[in-house]
Amino acid sequence: GAGVSQSPRYKVAKRGQDVALRCDPISGHVSLFWYQQALGQGPEFLTYFQNEAQLDKSGLPSDRFFAERPEGSVSTLKIQRTQQEDSAVYLCASSLGIRDRVWETQYFGPGTRLLVL
Amino acid sequence: AQTVTQSQPEMSVQEAETVTLSCTYDTSESDYYLFWYKQPPSRQMILVIRQEAYKQQNATENRFSVNFQKAAKSFSLKISDSQLGDAAMYFCAYRSAGSGGGADGLTFGKGTHLIIQP
Repeated sequence: GAGVSQSPRYKVAKRGQDVALRCDPISGHVSLFWYQQALGQGPEFLTYFQNEAQLDKSGLPSDRFFAERPEGSVSTLKIQRTQQEDSAVYLCASSLGIRDRVWETQYFGPGTRLLVL
Repeated sequence: AQTVTQSQPEMSVQEAETVTLSCTYDTSESDYYLFWYKQPPSRQMILVIRQEAYKQQNATENRFSVNFQKAAKSFSLKISDSQLGDAAMYFCAYRSAGSGGGADGLTFGKGTHLIIQP
């Protein structure tokens, strides 16, 4: 595909349910980022992968949040025992991942809107 | 930790006029990168312009330019000849030049909603 894709685009979950959000980065992109965007706010960094290695997970809000990228391409963000405060748009971004070019462009997906009832 | 502040929740401009969006940031680092992203209603975030902190020259991309004041920690975006397609949320973002400890991701402001009046 031409860009970053995410699925599902919308997800409604009952409090306590587990959810899995998928991100397909641009082919060949080494770096992958997850962000959480609450209503009316800017995105907040959750975690970062370089290939299959999760190099930074400092933004994950609790141990209910788990992300993986087992083959260095598709990534899944899993939220266990969802809470109402988890309601947000979850954005995925990818970049080429040339490490000495920290300014390089992050290409964002359309996001998954999660609503926890 | 770094913070990014956008003090204008909403701005309105007439088509073809010029508008400036404000952004300030707080950091103790000397080397970093600053970005303006545009998020149209479809929610796909698009990079508008970037600035390396070590460069004194302000970045320019066609109708978009920045006023980077490092000492004041200010990074405003000027949009000239505003077009209807410029209507969107605009986010200012910061990225450390280091790595690890949360430095790898972007730190965003809360955004400014730009309205273009025909």
